[in-house]
Amino acid sequence: KQEVTQIPAALSVPEGENLVLNCSFTDSAIYNLQWFRQDPGKGLTSLLLIQSSQREQTSGRLNASLDKSSGRSTLYIAASQPGDSATYLCAVSGFQKLVFGTGTRLLVSP
Amino acid sequence: DTAVSQTPKYLVTQMGNDKSIKCEQNLGHDTMYWYKQDSKKFLKIMFSYNNKELIINETVPNRFSPKSPDKAHLNLHINSLELGDSAVYFCASSKDSTGGQPQHFGDGTRLSIL
Repeated sequence: KQEVTQIPAALSVPEGENLVLNCSFTDSAIYNLQWFRQDPGKGLTSLLLIQSSQREQTSGRLNASLDKSSGRSTLYIAASQPGDSATYLCAVSGFQKLVFGTGTRLLVSP
Repeated sequence: DTAVSQTPKYLVTQMGNDKSIKCEQNLGHDTMYWYKQDSKKFLKIMFSYNNKELIINETVPNRFSPKSPDKAHLNLHINSLELGDSAVYFCASSKDSTGGQPQHFGDGTRLSIL
C-alpha cells in the first residue's frame, strides 16, 4: 500500500529565502508525481508534474526533482515571496489513482 | 472558463438528511474522481469513473453513491448524513484512467453537518 509523507509539516521563512519541501513515498512503482498548491478555503492548483522517467521539472521559481529508486521528491522554491504562502501537497500516481501526502504548510513573512 | 466545476460550494445540513453534490468537467476527459479532505487536511480518493463506469471504490460506506450520467458529469449523493461526513469534497478529472495523466481539481464543496 502506497504511503506518502511530507516533511516538514509546517515551515515559516522570511521573504527572499530559498527553501526545499520534501516528499517521500514507499512504493517506487509510480507513473508520475505531482506537486499541488492549496490556498485556505480553495481547491488544488497543479504546480508541476514529473513523469516517472524524468528527474526534474521547472516552472519559474519552482523546481521539482524525482528520485524514484529512493522514493523521494523535493520541491525547491527560489526567492520566496509572501504570495507563496499556502499548503503544498505532493501526490504520487499509481495505477488509476493518486495518493496524497500529508502536506507542508508554508508561511512566508514580509 | 472553469475546467472542473462543483456545486454547491458550501453545504450546511442536519444529520440524517440526504444531499447531492454535482461535478462537471469541460476538458473532454474520460475519467473523473471524488476525493475527501478531512479536518486534518488529508486528501483521500473515494471513487473513480472512467467513461461512466466505476473503476475505483475505496471502501466508502454505501451511504455514498456516485452517479455518472455521462463522462462529463460525476455526481455524489449521500444518504443519512452523519457528523463524520463533515469534510471538503473535491471532484477531479484526467484524460484517462491509467494514472499517467495529470488530474485537474475543482474548488471543492465544504460540507458541514449540524
